[in-house]
Amino acid sequence: GDSVTQMEGPVTLSEEAFLTINCTYTATGYPSLFWYVQYPGEGLQLLLKATKADDKGSNKGFEATYRKETTSFHLEKGSVQVSDSAVYFCALSSNTGNQFYFGTGTSLTVIP
Amino acid sequence: NAGVMQNPRHLVRRRGQEARLRCSPMKGHSHVYWYRQLPEEGLKFMVYLQKENIIDESGMPKERFSAEFPKEGPSILRIQQVVRGDSAAYFCASSANEGQGVYGYTFGSGTRLTVV
Repeated sequence: GDSVTQMEGPVTLSEEAFLTINCTYTATGYPSLFWYVQYPGEGLQLLLKATKADDKGSNKGFEATYRKETTSFHLEKGSVQVSDSAVYFCALSSNTGNQFYFGTGTSLTVIP
Repeated sequence: NAGVMQNPRHLVRRRGQEARLRCSPMKGHSHVYWYRQLPEEGLKFMVYLQKENIIDESGMPKERFSAEFPKEGPSILRIQQVVRGDSAAYFCASSANEGQGVYGYTFGSGTRLTVV
């Protein structure tokens, strides 16, 4: 069945460091791929998405490219800030779009 | 235009009691999706409803859990005779049409259920 595997945390970085959070997926068909962010005590916010192979999603300095050949959707940011501290979830939607499959989340802490 | 509204934000129940979680979809949305987040885990799909119909309940536990989305009013996720293992955050999302998940859902802020 469909599934998502993402890098385990926690991850601790200094401000302005480079961030990569790995995500790979298994799916039938051609799913859409997403990164969601969850700040402490809050719900999930959609950070970025890509709906087909080779698409690059980007938002707030974060980027991820849909790589069909490696079934990956790694999240990157060139220079993290303290305010980026949160839990990041990789997800894919089923072909019907009616069900999401989430990774287990990666906790990021950015220290000044 | 308010987003997906969930209440209560926090709910404490003793073992054996009932828990009712409410989700009001975004204005104009008639499709609701419920997900559960157990501690240290990602979200897991529970159920997908349209107004007055359950479309997919493949993620719902077989016993004690039920969901409804009446013609009027919010969607309700009901857990009877709660146990400690039901402690989790419950999130819902909504859409105007079927299949819009390919573009990404907006989730509510969730209800954090604690069973003591």
